[in-house]
Amino acid sequence: DAGITQSPRHKVTETGTPVTLRCHQTENHRYMYWYRQDPGHGLRLIHYSYGVKDTDKGEVSDGYSVSRSKTEDFLLTLESATSSQTSVYFCAISRGPNTEAFFGQGTRLTVV
Amino acid sequence: DQQVKQNSPSLSVQEGRISILNCDYTNSMFDYFLWYKKYPAEGPTFLISISSIKDKNEDGRFTVFLNKSAKHLSLHIVPSQPGDSAVYFCAASATSGTYKYIFGTGTRLKVLA
Repeated sequence: DAGITQSPRHKVTETGTPVTLRCHQTENHRYMYWYRQDPGHGLRLIHYSYGVKDTDKGEVSDGYSVSRSKTEDFLLTLESATSSQTSVYFCAISRGPNTEAFFGQGTRLTVV
Repeated sequence: DQQVKQNSPSLSVQEGRISILNCDYTNSMFDYFLWYKKYPAEGPTFLISISSIKDKNEDGRFTVFLNKSAKHLSLHIVPSQPGDSAVYFCAASATSGTYKYIFGTGTRLKVLA
């Protein structure tokens, strides 16, 4: 299995509080991604990174920010959590073009 | 605007028969396509991929077909087994520019014993 660890695995937080999810990889892959999975919507790309300090927006980036200060860590921050951000969040890593992405186990976030 | 579409939310197939899952895409820049399988409470796992220079790729019981002119791909599972019951996602990517994967909404496959 690809070395990807997401933390925490489960979190319940209150509306309006900041939340940071962490993705850690031991594969030295260049690309890292954050997706959210919601019923009826599949997997939607939030933000991704193509190198240290190089990030870009995905399909559903509003309300989220990311940072990648070193190759192995990609952080996803909800600046002020809302109930619409209740979801399962997946991190993925990839070597790049014409290769597959490997996913972490997911973080279940509930905003109450 | 959804660039990758899986129009069948669910599919039921008898054990031993063929399962065919379909996927359509709209972005002509996509040139690499993948299928993933997902069990509840787990992350998606990679199944099979195909480059746009091919129209078929096979790996054991799994075959992916690509029809570029129709912007359509399909995953065939033969024979289907109860352990194949899962949600299947197709994904597409473009090798030009920064590299990202766009996923469809998924098809839930149920293989009946």
